[in-house]
Amino acid sequence: SYVLTQPPSVSVAPGQAASITCGANNIGSEDVHWYQQKPGQAPVLVVYDDSNRPSGIPERFSGSISHNTATLTISRVEAGDEADYFCQVWDTSRSHAVFGDGTKLTVL
Amino acid sequence: QVHLEESGGGVVQPGRSLRLSCEASGFTFSAYTMHWVRRAPGKGLEWVALISKGSDDKYYADSVKGRVVISRDNSMNTLYLQMNTMRPDDTAVYFCARGRVRGLRFHFDYWGQGALVTVSS
Repeated sequence: SYVLTQPPSVSVAPGQAASITCGANNIGSEDVHWYQQKPGQAPVLVVYDDSNRPSGIPERFSGSISHNTATLTISRVEAGDEADYFCQVWDTSRSHAVFGDGTKLTVL
Repeated sequence: QVHLEESGGGVVQPGRSLRLSCEASGFTFSAYTMHWVRRAPGKGLEWVALISKGSDDKYYADSVKGRVVISRDNSMNTLYLQMNTMRPDDTAVYFCARGRVRGLRFHFDYWGQGALVTVSS
């Protein structure tokens, strides 16, 4: 089955850029989506289809993808960006969603 | 605006059943495939099930297959998740989510606030 690999944690100082990776074999052939989840809240879609931003999501959030790695980049990180971030793809062979294990972003 | 609200969570004993509901508003419910996703304490997000617009297609995660039934009532704009023979590892916050599709690939553009289900004796 499809496995998405994320680092468990990323730390960054306010105002700096944070990069969260999501690795898988040939992930470049998939559509990758990213969600932000703060404690006690629902997940929020922040990037869809690799690099598109839903309305209302700040331009500071961007997505990119290469052959084996998708990356969520948050520029000029703010304290309010502290959250868990999950990548997701759709396994069409099984009609299942697959999520990465999540990355906890800590703003120092 | 799109709104999804889950209900029916609570504490249930192992082996018992529970039904979750998700009431939708602010969009044409019957036009969207709907999903359930859960997050267990200390764990990540886990997709649970999907149901197509007209209920023709239903798919389940291996971890719940045979114990869970997803259904919907488009006249009531409501999604359901019937969970049977519940186990302690079903303890989680359960979210309903609206599916958006490109080709055959889904992602989730709106989520409810979640319903906490605790399986414990």
